[in-house]
Amino acid sequence: QVQLVESGGGVVQPGRSLRLSCAASGFTFSSYGMHWVRQAPGKGLEWVAVIWYDGSNKYYADSVKGRFTISRDNSKNTLYLQMNSLRAEDTAVYYCARDAGEPLGELSLYFDYWGQGTLVTVSS
Amino acid sequence: DIQMTQSPSSLSASVGDRVTITCQASQDISNYLNWYQQKPGKAPKLLIYDASNLETGVPSRFSGSGSGTDFTFTISSLQPEDIATYYCQQYDNLPLKITFGQGTRLEIK
Repeated sequence: QVQLVESGGGVVQPGRSLRLSCAASGFTFSSYGMHWVRQAPGKGLEWVAVIWYDGSNKYYADSVKGRFTISRDNSKNTLYLQMNSLRAEDTAVYYCARDAGEPLGELSLYFDYWGQGTLVTVSS
Repeated sequence: DIQMTQSPSSLSASVGDRVTITCQASQDISNYLNWYQQKPGKAPKLLIYDASNLETGVPSRFSGSGSGTDFTFTISSLQPEDIATYYCQQYDNLPLKITFGQGTRLEIK
């Protein structure tokens, strides 16, 4: 069965960096686009970034552009989110999610499987 | 940017009731609209994709309709396990942008 397991969250000071990981199993990771979506405490969902199945294209929300970098290692079935210059407003649970598009095909830009999330708290 | 307006923000209904949530886009998004259910402390779950298609394994009491700017999500007969927050989500290719509605918190009366 499809499993996505995030890790790397924690408490970090403003201006510092953190890298999140998402370990995928139960499907051919290298055939699917992947996303990061976040949710601030008590708030709604916010899409963060997407990466194509082969890493050829990446897109970001305006709120993180220039500070966050999405990447993947298909040999390790792992998705990453490098977060730099962190701000208090980046505090959230970060979910990785699989794009629901066809394997090796066009991305659907919605999400059929989600991880359990990892909490990032930006605070001094 | 396309803005999504989801309403109501909260809703209280009785078991067996028909429940309706709406999502309105600020411009035509064709059928690029999806619906998710999120239970407390859990990840969201895809229920409806492309406005009206039921995701595999989702009970048939859930349905979606609409196109263009106005969309509706319906639970035909509310069950206790449907207590959750529901989100609409739209996507746009040019430029690529994905936006969620504000969410609707559904409670049992």
